[in-house]
Amino acid sequence: QKEVEQDPGPLSVPEGAIVSLNCTYSNSAFQYFMWYRQYSRKGPELLMYTYSSGNKEDGRFTAQVDKSSKYISLFIRDSQPSDSATYLCAMSTTGNQFYFGTGTSLTVIP
Amino acid sequence: KAGVTQTPRYLIKTRGQQVTLSCSPISGHRSVSWYQQTPGQGLQFLFEYFSETQRNKGNFPGRFSGRQFSNSRSEMNVSTLELGDSALYLCASSLEGPRTFGPGTRLTVL
Repeated sequence: QKEVEQDPGPLSVPEGAIVSLNCTYSNSAFQYFMWYRQYSRKGPELLMYTYSSGNKEDGRFTAQVDKSSKYISLFIRDSQPSDSATYLCAMSTTGNQFYFGTGTSLTVIP
Repeated sequence: KAGVTQTPRYLIKTRGQQVTLSCSPISGHRSVSWYQQTPGQGLQFLFEYFSETQRNKGNFPGRFSGRQFSNSRSEMNVSTLELGDSALYLCASSLEGPRTFGPGTRLTVL
């Protein structure tokens, strides 16, 4: 079993839709949770970083961590064509070694 | 503040050759990690260096090696290239916590 599981998609939504991206994990010791966005032919860029459980909001983006279910989510409100990218979740126990999901490909159609 | 830089950005090699990739981290970042990204496997951790010492290592064969210099710059070497080594190689740096990624080096092995 992989440490982190992420549905690869692809996911296609109309502009303005709410997008929900999810990851599940098996290691209950994970404490640090991240979402990265990767545009085609670019390196991943950090979108959200949370420690432990709960929600974190940044503009149109909300990251949610449910440690009891070993499940994390990224919500994108009012999705824009510029949000079209691959989204990767990442997790860590100590903040040093990170485990990445395989990424979900998102296309927002104008 | 300049981001993580990687050189070269694109590389074409033939089977059996060796290759050296270079990474310059963000100024002040002492941790440098390397990842291999392929469509099928996603992001796979190669190794991490901190203050010139390898701190963590992924499950890659000994053909993959790296080093870090006193100025925190890092190099990754792959010897005896195989077709399956074709991938995007990403370097990431950090103080502690989430990684900041470079744009990657796209290696094609023919």
